[in-house]
Amino acid sequence: DTGVSQDPRHKITKRGQNVTFRCDPISEHNRLYWYRQTLGQGPEFLTYFQNEAQLEKSRLLSDRFSAERPKGSFSTLEIQRTEQGDSAMYLCASSLARGGRSSYEQYFGPGTRLTVT
Amino acid sequence: GIQVEQSPPDLILQEGANSTLRCNFSDSVNNLQWFHQNPWGQLINLFYIPSGTKQNGRLSATTVATERYSLLYISSSQTTDSGVYFCAVVTTSGTYKYIFGTGTRLKVLA
Repeated sequence: DTGVSQDPRHKITKRGQNVTFRCDPISEHNRLYWYRQTLGQGPEFLTYFQNEAQLEKSRLLSDRFSAERPKGSFSTLEIQRTEQGDSAMYLCASSLARGGRSSYEQYFGPGTRLTVT
Repeated sequence: GIQVEQSPPDLILQEGANSTLRCNFSDSVNNLQWFHQNPWGQLINLFYIPSGTKQNGRLSATTVATERYSLLYISSSQTTDSGVYFCAVVTTSGTYKYIFGTGTRLKVLA
């Protein structure tokens, strides 16, 4: 069990550019979540997947944001035409939901810190 | 939507002191977790505790779901306990997303 990994750990971009982040969940976990955390606040939910299906999206996820999990393993979060307000820590988490071993317990990755200049 | 309030918002302790952090939530929940966020931003799982009491070393937690609160106890605090403590809940509305509390920022002085 190598834990949840995220790449890159830090990203600095200029306003208007597109960025893409990657999350690799714990290998047996079939649920994957994205959260965003701004300075001084708690994480806020963005979206989650069960396998490759995107089951819930927050109203925070504007049209400029898109998330995919094409084969039910890793996920990508893309932000198009970045704005300064997108500067935040983007956190990924995973959990297991399968038959009698379902669990709500979520395990978080180290995050990707995005700075938009 | 559900409100998740944590108290106190800030706490400064001398090394070796004990403390109690509280998490109140305004609606029924299916799950509750406590996390410690270290200075680098990593959220570390402390307890998965939808109800009852658990202990892990110097830390313990109690959730009374019927009364809509959870407590995190830290005994003999160490400087490495510094950081932000969050509780997070999953509501009974059929979702699996976490709603995070407002956080308690803890600083332990040597």
